[in-house]
Amino acid sequence: EPEVTQTPSHQVTQMGQEVILRCVPISNHLYFYWYRQILGQKVEFLVSFYNNEISEKSEIFDDQFSVERPDGSNFTLKIRSTKLEDSAMYFCASGQDGSNQPQHFGDGTRLSIL
Amino acid sequence: GQQLNQSPQSMFIQEGEDVSMNCTSSSIFNTWLWYKQDPGEGPVLLIALYKAGELTSNGRLTAQFGITRKDSFLNISASIPSDVGIYFCAGPPNFGNEKLTFGTGTRLTIIP
Repeated sequence: EPEVTQTPSHQVTQMGQEVILRCVPISNHLYFYWYRQILGQKVEFLVSFYNNEISEKSEIFDDQFSVERPDGSNFTLKIRSTKLEDSAMYFCASGQDGSNQPQHFGDGTRLSIL
Repeated sequence: GQQLNQSPQSMFIQEGEDVSMNCTSSSIFNTWLWYKQDPGEGPVLLIALYKAGELTSNGRLTAQFGITRKDSFLNISASIPSDVGIYFCAGPPNFGNEKLTFGTGTRLTIIP
């Protein structure tokens, strides 16, 4: 069964550094998402992306965050200047077109900010 | 914003027991999704519900979309060790390609 893949599985970064998290969504999916989960908490929406532009973003997704689909297969999340509170699991998800198509999630990248 | 509250927060049961958990919303949802998350992994879709009153099964799992559109429940029959994990309800409030709002989660532990 096709799946969403994320790399790296674990990223350790010094505070203030830039980090790029990578995702390969399922190939025929058109909707892409990033979510994050702080340890022990629920999954929270960050941003959705469709037709090469952001369709919605949460208040967490501030100017330090950006997303890009640089080619036909990758979908990236960049955090420009990381903060301690950015430490979390970051999940990429993708969905097909259509109102009854649930999102499928990758296994996440654990981001640890030192 | 929309909130999804799940109960119970955690459950400790013996293998073979049936499990029931539910999810309530402060506002109407038009789709209810149930995901399971194992440690260190992403949420995996278990069941999707699209119509009020709908009852759907997936093996030992059964979920229902409440008539009011503000709640859903998930039942697991005859639990086995691999059922251990955190169960999340989630939904897009309006239509399928919107962002998901996740519930607070129910952690299931099976006592040997």
